[in-house]
Parts: sequence; C-alpha cells; structure tokens
Amino acid sequence: GNSVTQMEGPVTLSEEAFLTINCTYTATGYPSLFWYVQYPGEGLQLLLKATKADDKGSNKGFEATYRKETTSFHLEKGSVQVSDSAVYFCALRNGGGNTPLVFGKGTRLSVIA
Amino acid sequence: GAVVSQHPSRVICKSGTSVKIECRSLDFQATTMFWYRQFPKQSLMLMATSNEGSKATYEQGVEKDKFLINHASLTLSTLTVTSAHPEDSSFYICSASGGPFETQYFGPGTRLLVL
Repeated sequence: GNSVTQMEGPVTLSEEAFLTINCTYTATGYPSLFWYVQYPGEGLQLLLKATKADDKGSNKGFEATYRKETTSFHLEKGSVQVSDSAVYFCALRNGGGNTPLVFGKGTRLSVIA
Repeated sequence: GAVVSQHPSRVICKSGTSVKIECRSLDFQATTMFWYRQFPKQSLMLMATSNEGSKATYEQGVEKDKFLINHASLTLSTLTVTSAHPEDSSFYICSASGGPFETQYFGPGTRLLVL
C-alpha cells in the first residue's frame, strides 16, 4: 500500500538555522508528492509539490526534490524564521483529483529568536 | 488561490445531539471532497471520500450511520455527526479537489467539543 514516513519531532531551531525534515514514501507507480503546513489552530496549506521524479518544488524559501531512487522528498530551508513555526506534513497522492492524500504523521517545528 | 470554507469553525454541543459541518469550495467546482479527522498532535485520518451526486466512500472503521456525508452540489459537502458523544470531539477538516492540476485545497477546520 501507500505510506509516508517523516521524521518525528518536535524540532527546535534557532532563527536563521538550516532546516531539514526528512520524508520517505512507499507507493506503487508514480505518486505526486506534497508538503503541507499547519499553523496553530488552522487548517492545512499547500506549501509545495512535485509531480514527477527529479522535480523540485519550492515556495517561501522552502524546497524539496522528488528523489525516486531513494523514495524521498525531504523538506529544506536555508534560514528559518520564527514565523515558520508550525507543523509540517509530507503527503503523497497516487492518482488523480478524486484520490485522497496519504499523510505522514507530521513534524512540529519551533523556531526561537 | 482556491478557497475552501468550513462552517462552523468551532462548535460545542451536548452529548446525544447532532452537529452539521459544512464545507464549501468558494471559487471552483469540486467533484470530489474529502473529510479528515485530526486528533491533538496527530496526523490527519481520512474518514471518507465524497463525490457529488453519489454516496460517500467511507474508510474502514468509520461508521457511515454516525458520520453522514452529503455532497449535494459541486460546491458543498456536509458532514453530520449524529448522536455525538465526547469521544467524537476532534478537529474535522475537509478538502476539495479542483483547478487544472486537481490540487487539494483544505478548509480551515472545525473544532468539535462534545460535553
């Protein structure tokens, strides 16, 4: 079946530190991969996505590269800010728009000034 | 970008009552909507997939008679928690697929507290 494994948190970083949140997946075929962010008390927002191997998704300084050979989609940011504090979810979708997302467990990031 | 709204954002009810949660796609048509449940500090658990004009497909372990889903139009899906009990207290999130890339857009969530 399809599954997503992401590093467990919480992760605490100082402002301007480098961020990596690991995500690996198991899927048949060629899924699309996503990172969603959830700020406290809110729903999920799409952060970035990649739909095929070697694609790099990027947004707001975050980026992730679809690595088929390692079945990974690690999230990185070169310099985090306090406002990046949130929960980050890695997800995959193995099909079209009528196919639900499969989520990892989420990684809570806290950035301190 | 596309917007999905949920109403209400927060509801407190007594045990035994029913609660209806609405999910609307505001600027696009969504043939498919999804309902998720999120427990504190945990991931999202898919409850059901809702297709306009047809019966919802429920995930294993989700009681379809307790969590009634109606997808009456291309912009509205409702989730009714019937005879709610304290263990139904949770954060319920809907999402809708739309746009040229069929991206899933999430609503802001509804926090349900059953006393």
